[in-house]
This record gives sequence, C-alpha cells and structure tokens, in this order.
Amino acid sequence: GAGVSQSPSNKVTEKGKDVELRCDPISGHTALYWYRQSLGQGLEFLIYFQGNSAPDKSGLPSDRFSAERTGGSVSTLTIQRTQQEDSAVYLCASSLASGGRGTDTQYFGPGTRLTVL
Amino acid sequence: AQSVTQLGSHVSVSEGALVLLRCNYSSSVPPYLFWYVQYPNQGLQLLLKYTSAATLVKGINGFEAEFKKSETSFHLTKPSAHMSDAAEYFCAVIRGGGFKTIFGAGTRLFVKA
Repeated sequence: GAGVSQSPSNKVTEKGKDVELRCDPISGHTALYWYRQSLGQGLEFLIYFQGNSAPDKSGLPSDRFSAERTGGSVSTLTIQRTQQEDSAVYLCASSLASGGRGTDTQYFGPGTRLTVL
Repeated sequence: AQSVTQLGSHVSVSEGALVLLRCNYSSSVPPYLFWYVQYPNQGLQLLLKYTSAATLVKGINGFEAEFKKSETSFHLTKPSAHMSDAAEYFCAVIRGGGFKTIFGAGTRLFVKA
C-alpha cells in the first residue's frame, strides 16, 4: 500500500513569500504530525492532528506558521512571509492512533526540503 | 517538561563490533520511548519502542534497547555492527498518554570495514 507522501519534494522561495506544504497520510490513519528537521536543531515537533482537530499547536515557531487538515486526510502546512531561518526539511508522519494512543507507530514521509533565499 | 539527550553526535565502530548508542530522558510521568533510524537519503523509520511492557525491547535488524528507570536511560545496542547499519539514529520520548513526540539531536553511526 501507499505510504505517506509529501509535496513538493523541494521548494525554493524568496524571503517574504508564502509557501504551502502538503502531506497525504496513509489511508485510515487518524493522527497526523508535522516536524521540522534542520541542521543544528535536530527534529522539532510542530503540530499534530487527531482527525481534523489540532489539540497541540505548541510546537509552531511563530504565528507565521499554520496548519490545517480536512476530511481527516490531507494536511497543509502554510508558512507566511518566509524567513531564511525557515529553511529546513519539513517532515510529515501519520499513525493509526487506535484507541487514542500516541504510541502507535508513526510512518514518515520523505519530507519537503524548503530553501528560503 | 520532557527532554531527550543523546550522548555523542557521532559514533564510529568497526564492522563486527558492538554498537552502543546512548539515550537519557527526563519525564515527570512514565514515558514511552522510541528509537528511529534515518538511512542516507531515506525517511525516518521506527526501530523499536518501549510502551511499559517488557523493559528489554527487541527491534528490527538485530537492534535492542533496555529501559532502565533508575538510570533514566534507553540505550540502543547491537552485538555486531554491519556496514548497512551506517545511518543516523534518533531517540524520542512521548509523555504517557500523549502524542507530542520529542526527539533527541541524533547520533550518526559510522561503520568501518
């Protein structure tokens, strides 16, 4: 079956522009996660969704970052007025979260490499 | 607050030697602990996880980890390194009952022939 897919795989943008990153989770997975992986910062939790709601947005670095999930499936991470420090690989993961458990295995997508010039 | 510390950003071993990657955690409640691996140019995948059952957890590719509450550790081991084990390894923690996953900074494993 298909895994987690993310698009685009690479995105180069100019400082100040808005970008949208897309994640298609594994079908049937109710939990969806966004992470950021950058040099010197490691893997940083951004946000997670249970269905369409986001109970924990504490990881979003600033109000320029937002995310939504529709139909319990596809999610979009939007970064407004991008800055150079936003350059990183943005990873998406999904899990079954059966019984509301956070311990179910997370399956990661290949990531979107964002470069802000 | 919970956190994860991985000792050593780089570890180098010879092929056939013991692999030991260290992870210590801090958590105010019983944690769930994970090891993930990221091979070059590939996505993250789960190696193993501890979810309050057996303290010695066996994972894929011959890796295992032992949860030691008294030492707040969850070190990853493999008796004999293989060249294909060269990758970056991440320890992670979830606070009991939650979803927010906190990752360590990662340890890059090099395997010498």
